[in-house]
Amino acid sequence: VVMTQSPLSLPVTLGQPASISCRSSQSLVSSDGNTYLNWFQQRPGQSPRRLIYKVSNRDSGVPDRFSGSGSGTDFTLKISRVEAEDVGVYYCMQGTHWPWTFGQGTKVEIK
Amino acid sequence: QVQLQQSGPGLVKPSQTLSVTCAISGDSVSSNSAAWNWVRQSPSRGLEWLGRTYYRSKWFNDYEVSVKSRITINPDTSKNQFSLQLNSVTPEDTAVYYCVRAAAAGTYDYWGQGTLVTVSS
Repeated sequence: VVMTQSPLSLPVTLGQPASISCRSSQSLVSSDGNTYLNWFQQRPGQSPRRLIYKVSNRDSGVPDRFSGSGSGTDFTLKISRVEAEDVGVYYCMQGTHWPWTFGQGTKVEIK
Repeated sequence: QVQLQQSGPGLVKPSQTLSVTCAISGDSVSSNSAAWNWVRQSPSRGLEWLGRTYYRSKWFNDYEVSVKSRITINPDTSKNQFSLQLNSVTPEDTAVYYCVRAAAAGTYDYWGQGTLVTVSS
């Protein structure tokens, strides 16, 4: 399954919202009824860190300015007000179809 | 809290074998509910799953098709760790290699710190 993110680069102003799109080449609705779409954040020099699982569930410790939404093949990660610590690359990943696959990443930087 | 600590050489010569080990704390490599994965990251390929090992009354392995003929992932229950071996490497195998836990359906939750492996003579 091919995961396509847009944009690939996202310059944002501090305090402003940001939105990243992720589209899959097949529906991510699993036979068990769940949709296994994840979002990861990779800060410079760090390993990826999961932010969101099953489309919209935030991990413990993830600020509530991060939210995930979508269904089927179209998904979105939103940051309500970008902070300096949000700089990095964001990846969507599908876990419905084997093998699990990642998007190519969206680089978020401060204008 | 699960921690994955990676170790291994950062430089491998072409045609030789790449080896990276991942030591697990806070969970067991023999867990009946987790799978232990290797994912690599390079500018040309992005994030790419390579393979996994997991225990469900016996040991299983799955490998990505493009590396299946060259890869081995082994659990070591005595040291609670697992390892990656990639044979016959070329410069295209230069990447950061991560060990990653999958403990629930459809998701990765814990990542190792990454090991940059450069394939060069």
